[in-house]
Amino acid sequence: GAVVSQHPSWVICKSGTSVKIECRSLDFQATTMFWYRQFPKQSLMLMATSNEGSKATYEQGVEKDKFLINHASLTLSTLTVTSAHPEDSSFYICSVDREVETQYFGPGTRLLVL
Amino acid sequence: AQSVTQLDSHVSVSEGTPVLLRCNYSSSYSPSLFWYVQHPNKGLQLLLKYTSAATLVKGINGFEAEFKKSETSFHLTKPSAHMSDAAEYFCVVINTGTASKLTFGTGTRLQVTL
Repeated sequence: GAVVSQHPSWVICKSGTSVKIECRSLDFQATTMFWYRQFPKQSLMLMATSNEGSKATYEQGVEKDKFLINHASLTLSTLTVTSAHPEDSSFYICSVDREVETQYFGPGTRLLVL
Repeated sequence: AQSVTQLDSHVSVSEGTPVLLRCNYSSSYSPSLFWYVQHPNKGLQLLLKYTSAATLVKGINGFEAEFKKSETSFHLTKPSAHMSDAAEYFCVVINTGTASKLTFGTGTRLQVTL
């Protein structure tokens, strides 16, 4: 399957700062990537669909100005959590839509906002 | 809209005994269904997928699932559990008409005891 990496694997930041999370498709040129959020002991919730060369598509209820997504190349999508607050603490996971109707997931990034 | 229901939030089995993780789906059309596994603080790994081919789908690590349209089920099984199988398992369906958007079940935590 596709190899997807994320960096950093975990990050701790102060409230009010911004944090950037990278998602890389290592062996596949991905025109579409997805960003999910997972709270402890809960399922994954789709935040947005990242489209190479165009604006991301956000799910209902997700603040696009708070969660900035950039998909500048076919192998890299970034999620920036702006002015992070403790309630943004979560596990963020990206995925690559490689095969028809099949997504491959990155290892996730755990964010803790103090 | 499509949905999946994982009937058990937690399943505990002894090592060497069979595993059954239950999933029911709701769909207006022929769905594509997946099982993913997530180990603690890790991303999701694809176990297997059903996309309207053979109804009995074999996956990795000895897991398999059977698509039963009459019962709207896609239960995951394994003949003999191993300690390394302890993880969270998600049943997932593709949303019709929204290319590649996944809908996740709430997850089943599998515990394997000696």
